[in-house]
Amino acid sequence: QKEVEQDPGPLSVPEGAIVSLNCTYSNSAFQYFMWYRQYSRKGPELLMYTYSSGNKEDGRFTAQVDKSSKYISLFIRDSQPSDSATYLCAMSGSTDKLIFGTGTRLQVFP
Amino acid sequence: EPEVTQTPSHQVTQMGQEVILRCVPISNHLYFYWYRQILGQKVEFLVSFYNNEISEKSEIFDDQFSVERPDGSNFTLKIRSTKLEDSAMYFCASSDRGRFGYEQYFGPGTRLTVT
Repeated sequence: QKEVEQDPGPLSVPEGAIVSLNCTYSNSAFQYFMWYRQYSRKGPELLMYTYSSGNKEDGRFTAQVDKSSKYISLFIRDSQPSDSATYLCAMSGSTDKLIFGTGTRLQVFP
Repeated sequence: EPEVTQTPSHQVTQMGQEVILRCVPISNHLYFYWYRQILGQKVEFLVSFYNNEISEKSEIFDDQFSVERPDGSNFTLKIRSTKLEDSAMYFCASSDRGRFGYEQYFGPGTRLTVT
């Protein structure tokens, strides 16, 4: 079983839609959870960071962590064409090492 | 807004040659990292560095790799004898390990092509 699993997509949605991106993980020691956005051939850009279980909201983005189910989500409201990118989940436990998912490619069409 | 910078943006080298990839982390950050991403694959951890020492390294980070903080601003990754399979994007990241924990900020990457 992979440590972090993420559907690679692509996920194609119309502008204005609510997007839901998800990751599952197997390591119960993970307690720090991040979402990064990556444009083609660019570096990952930190979007959201959460510690342990719960929700966190920042503008159009909401991150959710359910540690009991080992499941994390990122919701994007009112999606825009500029949101088109690959979204990476990443997590870590007691060390700094980030374990990444494979990324979900999102396309928002006008 | 402070950001991590990396040079060069693209490096082409021949197999067996040494390369040095350079990074300037965010100025008040004390924790530094290298990751790599082979085309079409996930981002993979290579090494973490704090207080002039390696904190953790992955299986990928073998004797061909080394890291150094030669001065107060630069952080480098050296690959002694490059192999074809070292071709990848290499990302530097830094963190201040503040009260929110382990937020890591990534640079734009260096694309390494080994021919």
